[in-house]
Amino acid sequence: TQLLEQSPQFLSIQEGENLTVYCNSSSVFSSLQWYRQEPGEGPVLLVTVVTGGEVKKLKRLTFQFGDARKDSSLHITAAQPGDTGLYLCAGDGNSNYQLIWGAGTKLIIKP
Amino acid sequence: DTGVSQNPRHKITKRGQNVTFRCDPISEHNRLYWYRQTLGQGPEFLTYFQNEAQLEKSRLLSDRFSAERPKGSFSTLEIQRTEQGDSAMYLCASSEGTAGQPQHFGDGTRLSIL
Repeated sequence: TQLLEQSPQFLSIQEGENLTVYCNSSSVFSSLQWYRQEPGEGPVLLVTVVTGGEVKKLKRLTFQFGDARKDSSLHITAAQPGDTGLYLCAGDGNSNYQLIWGAGTKLIIKP
Repeated sequence: DTGVSQNPRHKITKRGQNVTFRCDPISEHNRLYWYRQTLGQGPEFLTYFQNEAQLEKSRLLSDRFSAERPKGSFSTLEIQRTEQGDSAMYLCASSEGTAGQPQHFGDGTRLSIL
């Protein structure tokens, strides 16, 4: 059974600080997606990483896929209150249709 | 750009009643997924359609749950004889027809069982 573990589960920091959240597995994924979800809304795709070691940047967000394609990280520089939300990772594993979802990191950025 | 649409956004009902939710996916997407999500958790897979065919159902989906996608377009999820534990957000997503494609989510239907 493929699993994705996200850490930390919850993070509350002040505006302007940097942070990193992690998505780890013992399984290899052919690709991994990061989503952000705000209360009362569905998850919204931020990025897809495909190649081991790949780094993608989205403004102040930097996403990295591990060399072995078993893990990923999301780093936010100078966090803003608008970054508040539930960050979910989802991996494309052995199934031909189903993504494997992490439980999410709930991030709160205080002004 | 028309995204995934779900109706209703909220549903409050008494225990034991039946409820039905509707999902209209992005029109060119032939894959449609239903998920259940509880507060602060990731989505839990319920079922998946490729066009009109229901190809997989999670063990979470008891016999009180049924989903249809009769013409390969919109889908409905029905819960019969609702229980307190059914209270959750029910999310629908759609994607293109190849494995690993990003899933586009609706804003969900929040179900509250009194």
